[in-house]
Amino acid sequence: DTGVSQDPRHKITKRGQNVTFRCDPISEHNRLYWYRQTLGQGPEFLTYFQNEAQLEKSRLLSDRFSAERPKGSFSTLEIQRTEQGDSAMYLCASSLGFRDRASDTQYFGPGTRLTVL
Amino acid sequence: SQKIEQNSEALNIQEGKTATLTCNYTNYSPAYLQWYRQDPGRGPVFLLLIRENEKEKRKERLKVTFDTTLKQSLFHITASQPADSATYLCALGRYNTDKLIFGTGTRLQVFP
Repeated sequence: DTGVSQDPRHKITKRGQNVTFRCDPISEHNRLYWYRQTLGQGPEFLTYFQNEAQLEKSRLLSDRFSAERPKGSFSTLEIQRTEQGDSAMYLCASSLGFRDRASDTQYFGPGTRLTVL
Repeated sequence: SQKIEQNSEALNIQEGKTATLTCNYTNYSPAYLQWYRQDPGRGPVFLLLIRENEKEKRKERLKVTFDTTLKQSLFHITASQPADSATYLCALGRYNTDKLIFGTGTRLQVFP
């Protein structure tokens, strides 16, 4: 399968613990995005990478959240000191990086479902 | 702040009929609008793109319209099939940002 993959698919943790998610984009895709989606809502943008550079961050991304894409390939999203409000589906997407953003289709992974007890 | 509204209640229609989903937005001037399909437990899948200077786009049984005066997009699925049952999301974008703003989605159920 050459689509976007995410690991793990499910994560249950206790409040206060740190968690880390991984996203492997489609190869050759320069852009990588992280979104958060809660039940009954659409995805909310968290952050975006162009190769290894993190270019845009949402105000939703508090100090407890950090994302990296060290070699411009896979990315990790870490949440420190998790809170119950962090429970959500965390989606990763990648795109080729067309200059015309409208045409730069984002391909989403299956997501990591986080439950904070 | 910007707000994107989609039918919060599920849309139930009979197979063969046309499904029409609505996306309304306020406090935002998108340059383009995209529609996605999302099945339970999976990520969204891109369906159609329409730009602000376009009135209508079609792709097979899908049609989308974009009215920047009404601040509304309509998404139509003609000759609907049970396999079309899913949640449909609209997303708005601008050329000066890579951030897409998604609506809440509308769940469509097509009955045989």
